[in-house]
Amino acid sequence: QQQVRQSPQSLTVWEGETTILNCSYEDSTFDYFPWYRQFPGKSPALLIAISLVSNKKEDGRFTIFFNKREKKLSLHITDSQPGDSATYFCAASASSGSWQLIFGSGTQLTVMP
Amino acid sequence: EAAVTQSPRNKVAVTGGKVTLSCNQTNNHNNMYWYRQDTGHGLRLIHYSYGAGSTEKGDIPDGYKASRPSQENFSLILELATPSQTSVYFCASGEDRGQDTQYFGPGTRLLVL
Repeated sequence: QQQVRQSPQSLTVWEGETTILNCSYEDSTFDYFPWYRQFPGKSPALLIAISLVSNKKEDGRFTIFFNKREKKLSLHITDSQPGDSATYFCAASASSGSWQLIFGSGTQLTVMP
Repeated sequence: EAAVTQSPRNKVAVTGGKVTLSCNQTNNHNNMYWYRQDTGHGLRLIHYSYGAGSTEKGDIPDGYKASRPSQENFSLILELATPSQTSVYFCASGEDRGQDTQYFGPGTRLLVL
C-alpha cells in the first residue's frame, strides 16, 4: 500500500510551459513534505519542501501548493526548461512516530525545446 | 568534495554470495539511511541509523543487515544475495530526524546473477 502517491507517472511538456506534478498522501500524521529531484544517472537532491503550517512555498520557478483538507500537494514549475528534465519525487514524514521519509514512485518529466 | 561516498559503485554478485555495500559521510550527521531504488517504486528505506552503534529496520529490511561502526560509516550487508536484490542502492545522511535534508551518495548498482 503506497502511502504517498504521485501522478502522472511521466509527463512531457514544451519549453516555456507550466508543469504541474501531483502528490497525495493518506497518513494524517504526515507534517513535512519535501520534493526531491533526480537527474538521469544522478542521485536525488532536495528541491523544495513545505510543512503543515503553510499552504504555499515558493522558490524561484518552483512552487508547492498544499491542500491539507484533501491531503494533496502539487509542484508547479513555471517557464519549464529542458534542464528541468528529471524525475521528481514527492515525500512525506511525520515529526511524531517513526519520522521516516516515505517517497512516492516519482514523476518523470521531459521538457522539449 | 562529495560529502557522501559509496563503494563499490558497481557490483556483480552470485546468488547465495555475501555482498557488503559501504557508505562514508563527512557531514558529521547523526542519521544515515540505506535505500533501494527500483523502477515504479521510487526510493524504499531498508535500514537507518541514529548514530554510531545503532541500526533500525526500515520498510523493507528482510534479507539485509546494517552496521554503523562509527559516525562516518554505515554498511549494508546482504548475507545471501538473491536476484531480487538486483537494484540501485543509495546511502544518505541527515542532521535531524524527519524534517531535515537528506544528502544522498552517488549510488551503487548491484546485479545479482
